[in-house]
Amino acid sequence: DGGITQSPKYLFRKEGQNVTLSCEQNLNHDAMYWYRQDPGQGLRLIYYSQIVNDFQKGDIAEGYSVSREKKESFPLTVTSAQKNPTAFYLCASSMGGANGYTFGSGTRLTVV
Amino acid sequence: SQQGEEDPQALSIQEGENATMNCSYKTSINNLQWYRQNSGRGLVHLILIRSNEREKHSGRLRVTLDTSKKSSSLLITASRAADTASYFCATGPLNSGYSTLTFGKGTMLLVSP
Repeated sequence: DGGITQSPKYLFRKEGQNVTLSCEQNLNHDAMYWYRQDPGQGLRLIYYSQIVNDFQKGDIAEGYSVSREKKESFPLTVTSAQKNPTAFYLCASSMGGANGYTFGSGTRLTVV
Repeated sequence: SQQGEEDPQALSIQEGENATMNCSYKTSINNLQWYRQNSGRGLVHLILIRSNEREKHSGRLRVTLDTSKKSSSLLITASRAADTASYFCATGPLNSGYSTLTFGKGTMLLVSP
């Protein structure tokens, strides 16, 4: 079955540490996205990529970094510069243009 | 920045009743989409309506779009307990190039047996 997989489901980070969230898709989608969701809030765009080796900042890119070395993979690194990283992180992919997104099941990151 | 705003923030109904959620947005759009999210899970795409469409159906879902009022509604008919979830509208901006979706804060729907 085609889909999009995020791992891990839960992640705990100590203050000052960088952590990387994994996102893999086998849908052959060109575009991939990272969103952050806080309680009672909608989704806010962190980074997106339309094609391999290219990515763009979203609305809240500060403190985050991404790479897109393969079409299937779009990992997100939450750096120590992100002051409030505790949140639910959602990865999505699409064919691009005016099409719906397919979401992963999310990673819940907690700073301890 | 938040483009879509859903109304109401929360809705509680009995099984078998209809549920209506509204979405308002500010700028011109290419399309509007509705998504569903069960607690602690990812979002699931429900339906997409393009700016030149006024109404669309998918099973028990009916979506309307009024571009003059910059608003959309999602109607779920004959609701079931399994419809309990948060529902989000998302807008794709009107431009010639690539665009990303902007999501609202969602409506929490509780359907009681």
